[in-house]
Amino acid sequence: GAVVSQHPSRVICKSGTSVKIECRSLDFQATTMFWYRQFPKQSLMLMATSNEGSKATYEQGVEKDKFLINHASLTLSTLTVTSAHPEDSSFYICSARLQPIVRLFFGPGTRLTVL
Amino acid sequence: KQEVTQIPAALSVPEGENLVLNCSFTDSAIYNLQWFRQDPGKGLTSLLLIQSSQREQTSGRLNASLDKSSGRSTLYIAASQPGDSATYLCAVRPKGGSEKLVFGKGTKLTVNP
Repeated sequence: GAVVSQHPSRVICKSGTSVKIECRSLDFQATTMFWYRQFPKQSLMLMATSNEGSKATYEQGVEKDKFLINHASLTLSTLTVTSAHPEDSSFYICSARLQPIVRLFFGPGTRLTVL
Repeated sequence: KQEVTQIPAALSVPEGENLVLNCSFTDSAIYNLQWFRQDPGKGLTSLLLIQSSQREQTSGRLNASLDKSSGRSTLYIAASQPGDSATYLCAVRPKGGSEKLVFGKGTKLTVNP
């Protein structure tokens, strides 16, 4: 099946710093990628839809200036958590769709811990 | 607003047992429903995807059913093995322009040797 990778897998940072997470589709091109966040014992919640060559679409309640998304190529989307705070500590997972099939493929996730 | 509920939240069974995981959703206007597996601290692995026009899908020891009108899906695991231990997530894709998935909180399955 199609492979989606994320880097880093785990990051610990100090409060106030910015963290960049990469999501790559390794063997296919993805015009659209999705960023989810999962708090402990909670559902995955969609944060934003990343569109190659255009602005990302953010879900209600997600601050676009805090969670910067760049989808500069057909195989790479980045999520930058700016001025991170402890409440941003979570598991961030990206997904991409291999067109024309409808199934989404998910990355392995990035565990962010903000001290 | 679409909501997805999974029952039970956790399940522990002896090896070899057949089991059923349940998923319910509040709005029947969906494109498809998908079952995923998530191992601790890991991403998601797609197990089965059922289109809204389908009633069930099978893959190996797994069988997923969909009753869209009643807002229910079940995941049946036959002859469970310790390697099946994981959290199983159900997600629906609501009808509309977005490709957004709405997830349940999952069922944590433990299969004891």
